[in-house]
Amino acid sequence: GAVVSQHPSWVICKSGTSVKIECRSLDFQATTMFWYRQFPKQSLMLMATSNEGSKATYEQGVEKDKFLINHASLTLSTLTVTSAHPEDSSFYICSARGGLQTRQETQYFGPGTRLLVL
Amino acid sequence: AQSVAQPEDQVNVAEGNPLTVKCTYSVSGNPYLFWYVQYPNRGLQFLLKYITGDNLVKGSYGFEAEFNKSQTSFHLKKPSALVSDSALYFCAVQGQDSGAGSYQLTFGKGTKLSVIP
Repeated sequence: GAVVSQHPSWVICKSGTSVKIECRSLDFQATTMFWYRQFPKQSLMLMATSNEGSKATYEQGVEKDKFLINHASLTLSTLTVTSAHPEDSSFYICSARGGLQTRQETQYFGPGTRLLVL
Repeated sequence: AQSVAQPEDQVNVAEGNPLTVKCTYSVSGNPYLFWYVQYPNRGLQFLLKYITGDNLVKGSYGFEAEFNKSQTSFHLKKPSALVSDSALYFCAVQGQDSGAGSYQLTFGKGTKLSVIP
């Protein structure tokens, strides 16, 4: 299957700093990328959807200025958590889907990034 | 609005026995259904999907799922469980276009599978 990578896998930062997480599709071109957040023992919560070259579409309740998403190329999307606070600590997972923008395309997920804000 | 229900938070099964992880869904139109598996501190791995055609879908690692339209179910099955199958399993349904062709996935809460040696 298709491979999606995320970097870093772990990050610990001080409150008030910004953290950037990279998501790459390694062997396919990702026309659409998704960013999820997962709390312990819970399901995935979709944060935003982005199409290459377009602004991201954020889910209700997700702060656009807090979670900056850039999808500058067909293989790279970044999520920047600005002025991070302890409540932003979570497991962030990206997902990518390539090919035509149809329902039949499968979403492939990255390994996740564990963020801990002190 | 679309939704997915996984009625069991945890399923325990002895190694070598068959396993079933249940999933029911609600969606308008034809359902596109997926199963993913998540190992600790890892992202989700795709197992299988149902789009159309044969109701029995075969996927990775010996897993299969049966689509039942009348019961709106998509249960995950495996004939003989392995200890290494112990993980968190998510069922998901893909709905209609929410804009710009995004076709978002809606996930169930997940079912923790424990295979006992």
